[in-house]
Amino acid sequence: GAGVSQSPSNKVTEKGKDVELRCDPISGHTALYWYRQSLGQGLEFLIYFQGNSAPDKSGLPSDRFSAERTGGSVSTLTIQRTQQEDSAVYLCASSPRTGGRGKLFFGSGTQLSVL
Amino acid sequence: TQLLEQSPQFLSIQEGENLTVYCNSSSVFSSLQWYRQEPGEGPVLLVTVVTGGEVKKLKRLTFQFGDARKDSSLHITAAQTGDTGLYLCAGENGGSNYKLTFGKGTLLTVNP
Repeated sequence: GAGVSQSPSNKVTEKGKDVELRCDPISGHTALYWYRQSLGQGLEFLIYFQGNSAPDKSGLPSDRFSAERTGGSVSTLTIQRTQQEDSAVYLCASSPRTGGRGKLFFGSGTQLSVL
Repeated sequence: TQLLEQSPQFLSIQEGENLTVYCNSSSVFSSLQWYRQEPGEGPVLLVTVVTGGEVKKLKRLTFQFGDARKDSSLHITAAQTGDTGLYLCAGENGGSNYKLTFGKGTLLTVNP
């Protein structure tokens, strides 16, 4: 596709359930990022992939959060035993280059609501 | 932890007016980016400023990077309803050049 695609666009789940969020980056983009945007808050960095490797996972809020990337392309963010405070928009972005001043192309996000 | 403070948090103006929004930090950034985000969409990059004192223009939008590379401003001339959106600044730390630090944004509403 022409842009970063995220699915689902909306997800409503019950507290304690596991959820998987998917990101399809722009073809050929080596770098992939996950951010979280809560109401009234800025974008919070979660994790960064260079190829299939995640050099920095320090932004993941707890061990309930995990992410993987396969084939240097699709990435999945998994949240186990969801809590109400996990409710937010989860944004994925890809970039054609690593390192600084790379232009980030964002998807439209997944709105996660934990009831 | 590096923080970027954006002000004002909310701004509502009439079409045709001028406005300036600010992005301030006590930390030095190697570069700073401005994004605009519309409801239900991801942020879209508007500009990247790199050099202290740099000024960039994008049609009616003027971006400035402070001399000390700690702050930035966005000035919009003759605002239009299509300028409505959330304006986010994001700083890049040269020591961690893959991780952008985002401000909370300025929510701009331009009324017809």
